Amino acid sequence: DVKVTQSSRYLVKRTGEKVFLECVQDMDHENMFWYRQDPGLGLRLIYFSYDVKMKEKGDIPEGYSVSREKKERFSLILESASTNQTSMYLCASSSGTGMGGTEAFFGQGTRLTVV
Amino acid sequence: KNEVEQSPQNLTAQEGEFITINCSYSVGISALHWLQQHPGGGIVSLFMLSSGKKKHGRLIATINIQEKHSSLHITASHPRDSAVYICAVRSYNTDKLIFGTGTRLQVFP
Repeated sequence: DVKVTQSSRYLVKRTGEKVFLECVQDMDHENMFWYRQDPGLGLRLIYFSYDVKMKEKGDIPEGYSVSREKKERFSLILESASTNQTSMYLCASSSGTGMGGTEAFFGQGTRLTVV
Repeated sequence: KNEVEQSPQNLTAQEGEFITINCSYSVGISALHWLQQHPGGGIVSLFMLSSGKKKHGRLIATINIQEKHSSLHITASHPRDSAVYICAVRSYNTDKLIFGTGTRLQVFP
């Protein structure tokens, strides 16, 4: 069974903390994505990566950075967490060439609350 | 205006009813995805289609490229179908996924 695994289901962090969200996939996919999901806004792309050490900004990259040192792992970093980064974060991966690939597989989500 | 619009936003049904969720989009696409998100957050891909119709169990997805419209149908709905259903299109120009805001379905016994 294919899997995209996010390291935490729920996280509570304080304003100003550095936060790491980890995502691991076991499908040997080239493409990995980080989205945030907010009520009424749908999923919005933060960053994506189409190869090891490669990263591209999505639609809302401000306040975030990413790291892809290994093909199976894509990390999202909140350099200094703020309350407006309270959200559901979803990681996804897909195969294929280019930015999009084919079918996307999603992790279970991390609900982050910044207090 | 959102590039991907879903309707209705919320839907309640009695067990056994036939359900239709609609998705309209305004961009050129290479594919359209239907996703299911259960309470707790995890998302499962139901269908990816670029033309015609696909069926999986009680779920049917159709797409009309000319009209830029897709529908997700659930036959003989069941309480376990209760979830948020999300339509997403892959932009032909940018190759990125653009998501609708989802349709929250509740099926009561």
